[in-house]
Order: sequence, then C-alpha cells, then structure tokens
Amino acid sequence: NAGVMQNPRHLVRRRGQEARLRCSPMKGHSHVYWYRQLPEEGLKFMVYLQKENIIDESGMPKERFSAEFPKEGPSILRIQQVVRGDSAAYFCASSPSSVPNYGYTFGSGTRLTVV
Amino acid sequence: AQTVTQSQPEMSVQEAETVTLSCTYDTSESDYYLFWYKQPPSRQMILVIRQEAYKQQNATENRFSVNFQKAAKSFSLKISDSQLGDAAMYFCAYRSRAYGGSQGNLIFGKGTKLSVKP
Repeated sequence: NAGVMQNPRHLVRRRGQEARLRCSPMKGHSHVYWYRQLPEEGLKFMVYLQKENIIDESGMPKERFSAEFPKEGPSILRIQQVVRGDSAAYFCASSPSSVPNYGYTFGSGTRLTVV
Repeated sequence: AQTVTQSQPEMSVQEAETVTLSCTYDTSESDYYLFWYKQPPSRQMILVIRQEAYKQQNATENRFSVNFQKAAKSFSLKISDSQLGDAAMYFCAYRSRAYGGSQGNLIFGKGTKLSVKP
C-alpha cells in the first residue's frame, strides 16, 4: 500500500517560470492538505482540498498560487511566475476523512529551488 | 489563533541516554490533539506520537512518551534509550478537534534539531 506520493522530489525553476507540484494521496484518501516549509521553519498550512473542491485556502498567497484536486488524477499545486522567495519544501498530506482522529500521512515533499 | 512554541532550537543526547524536548502551545479550545513529528534528513514527516487533550493519561509509544500538562499548555516529548537513528528534527503540532474546514489543519512549532552522540 503506497503512501503519499509526491513528485518531483526536486524542482529547479528560473524566476518567472511556472512550477507544478504533484501529490497522489494514499489509496482511499479523499482529503489532501498542502503545507510549505521555509528554511529553519516548521510547516505552514496552505490549502485543504477534497475531490473537485477547495475547502480552505486561507494559507495560500493571494496571487500566483493555485491548487486543484480533480476527480481523476493527483492533486496539483501550481505556482506561476516563481520568485526566489518561493524556494521551499512543499509537503502534501492526505487523510481518509475530515474526522481529526489521527495525524495525516505526509509525502516526502518537493524541494523547489528558484534560481 | 492557536500557536505552538518550541524553545529549544537544538538539543544533544548521548546514545542510550534520555532526552526531553519541550513544547508549549496557546489555545482557547478545550478539546484538541497534539502530535510530535520526526523529520530525518530524508525530509519525510513521520508521526511519532499523538495525544488527545481529553485523555489525562500520557501517551506512550515504545521508547517515546509525552508529559502532557493541560493546565500549563505544555506537551514535552521524552525519548528513552536514545539511538543514532533518533537524530532528526522534531516538530510539535496542534490540531483542533473540530470537524473539517480550517480547524482541521495542523499548526507546527519551528522544530528542535536533535543530535545523538555515539
């Protein structure tokens, strides 16, 4: 039973390019969360999605960032026109429901470097 | 808004010894969950232990145990018989017990880097 799969593991983008980060949740999990980890910091919540719905995007920057979780396929976090400050590790986590009995299952993250 | 504070940026322990990592939090809620996550150099976030605030008994998982002081809003992690593989960043996290929406998010501290000396 594969865990949460994130790809790519490392991503390098030049300033102004687009970054696409993918997350495949655990089998049977329909809830996905994206977190960002800046250097020397803990993880910060960005967005919470269920299939085809954004439930909470209160942690997402207002511009350039978007997320989706289509009916079929992985969840995508998209960052348009990347800047150096977007360099961070981006983590995806999934859970089978919104019932908060357990901590989520995290992926291994995507490290984005903007040059 | 809830906050989580880890006041020890770095800690060191001798192999086979015991170490305690500190965590305090602030919340106006009476029911919630607390977690400790381990992040080794591989970057994988691994759940170490969790505590439900309505349970008075401290959680224990093998060599890992917590000291949960609800009134003091303190949630420390004790690692007994430390092993080289315990070396990692450790994050304390808070989650509301409320269902769904933004209250289901994890709120993390900044972490404590634990080194284990052979």
